[in-house]
Amino acid sequence: EVQLVESGGGLVQPGGSLRLSCAASGFTFSRYWMSWVRQAPGKGLEWVANIKQDGSEKYYVDSVKGRFTVSRDNAKNSIYLQVNSLRAEDTAVYYCARNGYCTGGSCYSDYYYGMDVWGQGTTVTVSS
Amino acid sequence: QSVLTQAPSASGTPGQRVTISCSGSSSSIGGNYVNWYQQLPGTAPKLLIYRNSERPSGVPDRISGSKSGTSASLAISGLRSEDEADYFCAAWDGSLSGVVFGGGTKLTVL
Repeated sequence: EVQLVESGGGLVQPGGSLRLSCAASGFTFSRYWMSWVRQAPGKGLEWVANIKQDGSEKYYVDSVKGRFTVSRDNAKNSIYLQVNSLRAEDTAVYYCARNGYCTGGSCYSDYYYGMDVWGQGTTVTVSS
Repeated sequence: QSVLTQAPSASGTPGQRVTISCSGSSSSIGGNYVNWYQQLPGTAPKLLIYRNSERPSGVPDRISGSKSGTSASLAISGLRSEDEADYFCAAWDGSLSGVVFGGGTKLTVL
C-alpha cells in the first residue's frame, strides 16, 4: 500500500523550532519529487516547499524562506521539514505529499505535477 | 489572499451538474498544468484531476476538468451527497517558483 506518515508536530512557543518527518512506503521513494503543504485552522491549502528526487533542487513559499528547510534521506524513504523561528501564523496541519501521477502502469514525477498521494498530516501549534 | 481565484461557495441538488471555476495568470494557469483536489471534512486532500483534465484511477468519469487560457474549471455531473466537500485548484507559478492554490470552493449538495 502506498502510504505517507507524518510525525513531529506539537505545541511550540513563538521563536521555537520543530523537525517534521514524513515516512514513505509502498513505492520507490527516490523516483519522486516530494512536497510539504499546510492548512491553517479553518483555512485553505498553502504549499510550503518541495524537493527534487536527489535533493539537488528545493523551492519554498516566500513566507518561510530562511526559516524552513526541506531535506530528504532516500535510504530511509523519508523527507523532513526543519521549521525554525516559528510564528503564530505557522500554526497549521502540515501534510507531506508525493508529486506525480501514474497512468497505464507507468508513473511520472516532476515539480509541476499534481500531488497524488498525501499523508494524514501532523499538527503544529505555535503559542505561548 | 490566494494567487488563484475561486468562488468561496457553490451548490446544487442531487443529479445536477455544477461547475467550479479557477482564475489565474499567464505565469500560473496560463503556462502550467492545473490540478484539482477534493477535501472531505476532517481528511487529507485527494487528487481529483491532474494535468488539466486527467483523472487518477478511481475517480469517476462524472468528474471532469478543463483549461482555457488563464482559467480552469472543474465539472461534477450527477451530483451526489458524497460530493459535498471543499475543492481546491492548484498550479505551478513560474514567476513565484512555487505551487499556488486557489482559496477553495465549498460545495453544498442541497
